Amino acid sequence: KNEVEQSPQNLTAQEGEFITINCSYSVGISALHWLQQHPGGGIVSLFMLSSGKKKHGRLIATINIQEKHSSLHITASHPRDSAVYICAVTGGGADGLTFGKGTHLIIQP
Amino acid sequence: DAGITQSPRHKVTETGTPVTLRCHQTENHRYMYWYRQDPGHGLRLIHYSYGVKDTDKGEVSDGYSVSRSKTEDFLLTLESATSSQTSVYFCAISGGLAGTYTMEQFFGPGTRLTVL
Repeated sequence: KNEVEQSPQNLTAQEGEFITINCSYSVGISALHWLQQHPGGGIVSLFMLSSGKKKHGRLIATINIQEKHSSLHITASHPRDSAVYICAVTGGGADGLTFGKGTHLIIQP
Repeated sequence: DAGITQSPRHKVTETGTPVTLRCHQTENHRYMYWYRQDPGHGLRLIHYSYGVKDTDKGEVSDGYSVSRSKTEDFLLTLESATSSQTSVYFCAISGGLAGTYTMEQFFGPGTRLTVL
């Protein structure tokens, strides 16, 4: 069973700061997902990574397969980035996701 | 949007009653999943389906059963609801359309279930 650990659990920052959320897992995977969930809201897929780095707007996700570690970065953070960010991994095929417990991010104006 | 709906969106029920939650997709993805989300535990896989009539257990399957009689519908049944099954339930789809493949998962809006 894959163990997925995220850090930090909670993060409060000021608008404009550079944000980093970390995720580590214990067993080799086919893909790692970064998800976003706003309070009371649904779950949105931000990235799916098998290797390297991906960028969407102000969000950047990286993964190091050898070290079993991924990071999610937010540049020029904004209050609308306030949400829970969840890391999840999969072995591939029809396998479901194994999730970290999430990072609760608050960006203050 | 990936065209996933869940019904009902909210339900309050009594301990011992049967409950069925429905997930419906219009995207024709091969794989479907049921997860539950609880404070302190995060999201956990209950059951999943890799095709019509093909299902398997996830991490927290005790007390739940599923059925998938057609591609677009995946039902989650609590045969006799207990207070420990109070949770938010999310359906997800993956796998891509016939002839394609993706591991990306698309989530439904969730169902908030309260068992009194």
